[in-house]
Amino acid sequence: AQKITQTQPGMFVQEKEAVTLDCTYDTSDQSYGLFWYKQPSSGEMIFLIYQGSYDEQNATEGRYSLNFQKARKSANLVISASQLGDSAMYFCAMRVTTSGTYKYIFGTGTRLKVLA
Amino acid sequence: DTGVSQNPRHKITKRGQNVTFRCDPISEHNRLYWYRQTLGQGPEFLTYFQNEAQLEKSRLLSDRFSAERPKGSFSTLEIQRTEQGDSAMYLCASLPGPRETQYFGPGTRLLVL
Repeated sequence: AQKITQTQPGMFVQEKEAVTLDCTYDTSDQSYGLFWYKQPSSGEMIFLIYQGSYDEQNATEGRYSLNFQKARKSANLVISASQLGDSAMYFCAMRVTTSGTYKYIFGTGTRLKVLA
Repeated sequence: DTGVSQNPRHKITKRGQNVTFRCDPISEHNRLYWYRQTLGQGPEFLTYFQNEAQLEKSRLLSDRFSAERPKGSFSTLEIQRTEQGDSAMYLCASLPGPRETQYFGPGTRLLVL
C-alpha cells in the first residue's frame, strides 16, 4: 500500500526555536518524490520543499530542510528559527507512479502553532 | 507570473442542486489535478488531466462528478445533485511536467445545506 503517515496532529514551538515535523512513507516504487506543503487558514497549499528518492543530499530551502532517511522511510521537515507566520497546517506528500501516471498521496497533516 | 486561480472561492448550495467550479492553471502547465479536502484530512486525489485528456479518475469520483478541460487550458469540475457529504474544499493544482512540483490554487469551499 502507498501511504503517508504523519503521527503528530499538533505541535507547539517557541518563536525562534527549531521544530521537526515527522513524516513516514510506504511505497514499493524505486523512484518517488517527497514534498512538504504549508496550508495557512486561508486554505491555499504552499509548496515548501522537495526531495527525490535518488537524491543523496538532504534538500534545503531557506529555513526549511528535509531530513531524508531512506532506509527508515522517513522524510521529516525541520523548520529553523520559527516565526509566528509559520503557524499553519503542514502536509507531507509523496509522488508515486500508478497505472503509468503520477499520483500524489498526502498525509493527514500536522498543525503547528508558534508561540510568542 | 500569475498563479493558479479558482472560482468561486466559496459556494453555498442546497442539497440536490448542481454546482460547477473553475480552475485556471498557470499558463503552459499542461498537467492539472483536482483534489478534495475534508476537515482534518489531507487532499485526496480526484482526477488528472494531461492537456485536454482526462487520464485518471479516482473511485471517489461518483457518477455525479464530472470534470473537463477543453482545449487543455482551464478546467471545470461539476457536481450534480449535491449531497451534504460533498461539503469540502476542492483544490486544483497544475504543473508543467511529469516530475515537477505541483502548484495549488486557493481552493473552492463548498457547503451543501
